[in-house]
Amino acid sequence: DAKTTQPNSMESNEEEPVHLPCNHSTISGTDYIHWYRQLPSQGPEYVIHGLTSNVNNRMASLAIAEDRKSSTLILHRATLRDAAVYYCILRNSGGSNYKLTFGKGTLLTVNP
Amino acid sequence: GAGVSQSPSNKVTEKGKDVELRCDPISGHTALYWYRQSLGQGLEFLIYFQGNSAPDKSGLPSDRFSAERTGGSVSTLTIQRTQQEDSAVYLCASSLGTSGRYQETQYFGPGTRLLVL
Repeated sequence: DAKTTQPNSMESNEEEPVHLPCNHSTISGTDYIHWYRQLPSQGPEYVIHGLTSNVNNRMASLAIAEDRKSSTLILHRATLRDAAVYYCILRNSGGSNYKLTFGKGTLLTVNP
Repeated sequence: GAGVSQSPSNKVTEKGKDVELRCDPISGHTALYWYRQSLGQGLEFLIYFQGNSAPDKSGLPSDRFSAERTGGSVSTLTIQRTQQEDSAVYLCASSLGTSGRYQETQYFGPGTRLLVL
């Protein structure tokens, strides 16, 4: 599976926007970019996914670079509840694509 | 609506004992997955169910681990003769199970924290 690279940690202030980067330089044309997050002592939670175009939902926005070698998860106004580990993963249409594999992710700290 | 639920939330057991972990998926979800997450480690796939069948058991670490699913709903993960290295958070997830939907979202339960002394 193509690999992703994320910073180990980031810090933000409450009610400010947060941009969480992810590099995936070996992404293939059929890989979708997915983001999950895991709040403390909880199971992972789906956030958003996309292929080529930028995506918006009620939780966040996903900005995908034109060459698709990187992407950014955008939280428009961080809240204390957004403090979590954020995982960027690639999911392909073939093979055992149901097996989610998370790396270390980015630990987001939100300061009040 | 109700999400994925797991029980117990925490389990402490002695080495050598058997444990059963339960997962109730979202109603109507035909696909169910078990994962394991050890402290400081990533997510480790264990087994995948489609209905009551398990087409992929490749992630089960040893023959001490088994899982079943009945009625296309509840699943039980059983660990026999537990070892200290089995200590981890065991996560269950479910999804609609539509074949070929590679971007199908998996919804996770809160996990069962297993500690083997």
